[in-house]
Amino acid sequence: QVQLVESGGGLVKPGGSLRLSCSVSGFTFSDHFMSWIRQAPGKGLEWVSQTDNRGSHTDYADSVRGRFAISRDNARNSLNLQMNSLRPEDTGVYYCVRESISAGGWPAGGVDSWGQGTPVTVSS
Amino acid sequence: QPVLTQSSSASASLGSSVKLTCTLTSGHSRDIIAWHQQQPGEAPRYLMKVDDLGRYITETGVPDRFSGSGSGADRYLTISNVQSEDEADYYCAAWDRNTPVVFGGGTKLIVL
Repeated sequence: QVQLVESGGGLVKPGGSLRLSCSVSGFTFSDHFMSWIRQAPGKGLEWVSQTDNRGSHTDYADSVRGRFAISRDNARNSLNLQMNSLRPEDTGVYYCVRESISAGGWPAGGVDSWGQGTPVTVSS
Repeated sequence: QPVLTQSSSASASLGSSVKLTCTLTSGHSRDIIAWHQQQPGEAPRYLMKVDDLGRYITETGVPDRFSGSGSGADRYLTISNVQSEDEADYYCAAWDRNTPVVFGGGTKLIVL
């Protein structure tokens, strides 16, 4: 079955860095766009970054552009998020998510699988 | 980019039915949306996609008590025979060529 397992979260001081990883299994990783989505404590869901299926096109929310970098290794079935210059407002749970491919007459797009999340706390 | 509006909360009695609404901004009334459920302390879970014609496709394993529909800019998630485990936050999401994904604010469903 589809599995997405995040790691790398933790406590970091403002201005610090963290690297999140997501190991996937149960599907053909190289077929799918992938994203990171975060959730601040007690708040809703916020898209952070996306990569296409080859890693050749990436996109970022305005709030993280220039500080975060998404990457993927299709040979190792892994997705990464390098987070630099972290701020307290980056605190939250970070989810690795898969985006759907076209199937059954439905076009590609939208999140169809979630990891369990990894917590990030930015605090002095 | 699409903007999605959801009521902040809803309630339903055990065994009853409840219909949650997600409204798309004008210009996006034909967009497909997805519904996700987040039970307390858990990661979100993808439930289904719903299109502007009211067709929906559920994820494998989602109970058939959950169904989707749509009318104009509104997309609905209906839960029949509500169970205690359905108490959760429900988020709708949309996307387009320029926006990988955007979420509504979520509806907290309380089961009475």
